[in-house]
Order: sequence, then structure tokens, then C-alpha cells
Amino acid sequence: AQTVTQSQPEMSVQEAETVTLSCTYDTSESDYYLFWYKQPPSRQMILVIRQEAYKQQNATENRFSVNFQKAAKSFSLKISDSQLGDAAMYFCAYDDYAGGTSYGKLTFGQGTILTVHP
Amino acid sequence: EAQVTQNPRYLITVTGKKLTVTCSQNMNHEYMSWYRQDPGLGLRQIYYSMNVEVTDKGDVPEGYKVSRKEKRNFPLILESPSPNQTSLYFCASSLREAPTDTQYFGPGTRLTVL
Repeated sequence: AQTVTQSQPEMSVQEAETVTLSCTYDTSESDYYLFWYKQPPSRQMILVIRQEAYKQQNATENRFSVNFQKAAKSFSLKISDSQLGDAAMYFCAYDDYAGGTSYGKLTFGQGTILTVHP
Repeated sequence: EAQVTQNPRYLITVTGKKLTVTCSQNMNHEYMSWYRQDPGLGLRQIYYSMNVEVTDKGDVPEGYKVSRKEKRNFPLILESPSPNQTSLYFCASSLREAPTDTQYFGPGTRLTVL
């Protein structure tokens, strides 16, 4: 079974600084998706960024970027120019897919609470 | 507006009293799923459905039932709730088509079983 591990229960960052959240996963599959979801106090699950395993290029979305190391099974999230609105719980998630169609099951890590200090 | 809706958002009940949490999506998604979120455990899949009348167990199905009679609806049923089912529940849906496949989550239902 696939597992996802977030080893940092809590992280903090000063506003405008950069922070990196860590995620490792275990799988025997070669094709899969990886995601970072943000959960603010409203509890809504918001997709931050996604990475297809077959792509060597790291995904970026504005201030958010990932460092995807397939051989090491590592998928970290970097938040640049941190803002107060970035404060939230962040979840790393894994999704198998085969033949271009996802199985649709997300396996989540335990989550990392990010605090942003003004 | 494309969305996944859940009702109720908050529910306090007592042990053994049957309840249903509804989930509906307006995006014509084939795939729907239920997750529960518990501190330190992240989100874990309870049940999923790949299409109408097709459902299967996820990682933590004990104590739950689901049905998929229509494409847009996927209710979660707790026939005899127990305190260990106190949790935050999320419904999610997706198209299941690469490369744009992404799961969309409902707003969550906070359930307390006394």
C-alpha cells in the first residue's frame, strides 16, 4: 500500500520569507500524481499544486513550487514571499493512475500546520 | 458555479441514532468519494464510487454505508453511529481523466457522536 509521510507537524515563517514543507512517499508504481492541498481555518480543501510523476520539470504556481525527486520519493513544497493568508494546514497527497486514468483514491500525509508571523 | 455540496455542515447526535450526510456535485463527475479527517492521521478514504451503482470500500469502511443511485449524489450513511466516528467528513468528486484529473472537495461536515 502507498504511504505518504509529512515529518513536520508544525512550521513557521516570517511574512515575506520562504518556507519549505517536506513530504516523502512510498510506492512501487511508476505512474502517479502528487498534490499539495491547503486547508485554512474554514476547513475547505484547496488544491495548491499538482505534479505528474512522468514530468521531470517541477511544477510551479505563482509563489508555490515543488521539488520533485522521483528516485528519492520526495515531494517538497516551497512557498516564496509568504503571506498571512498562507497560514493553514498543508497536506501532501498521492494518487495512482494507469493508462492515463486515475484510480481516484488520494492517500494523504498527516499534515503540516504553517504559521505565518507578521 | 461548479461545486460539491454537503449537508449538514455540523451535526451532533447520540450513539445508535441513524444519520445520513448528503453529498451532491454539479460537474457531471463520474467519480465520487468520502474521506474522514482525524488529527495526526490526515484524510482517509471511507468509500468511493466510479459510477452509478458502482461503489467500493476504501481504507476505513467499517460502520459506514453508501449508495450511488444518481450520478450527482453520493450519500454517506451511518446506521448505528458510535463515538469513534466523531470526525470531519469530506465528500470529493472528479472526472478521472488524465492529465487534468483533480479531486474537488466539499466544505466538510463536522460530526460529533455522544
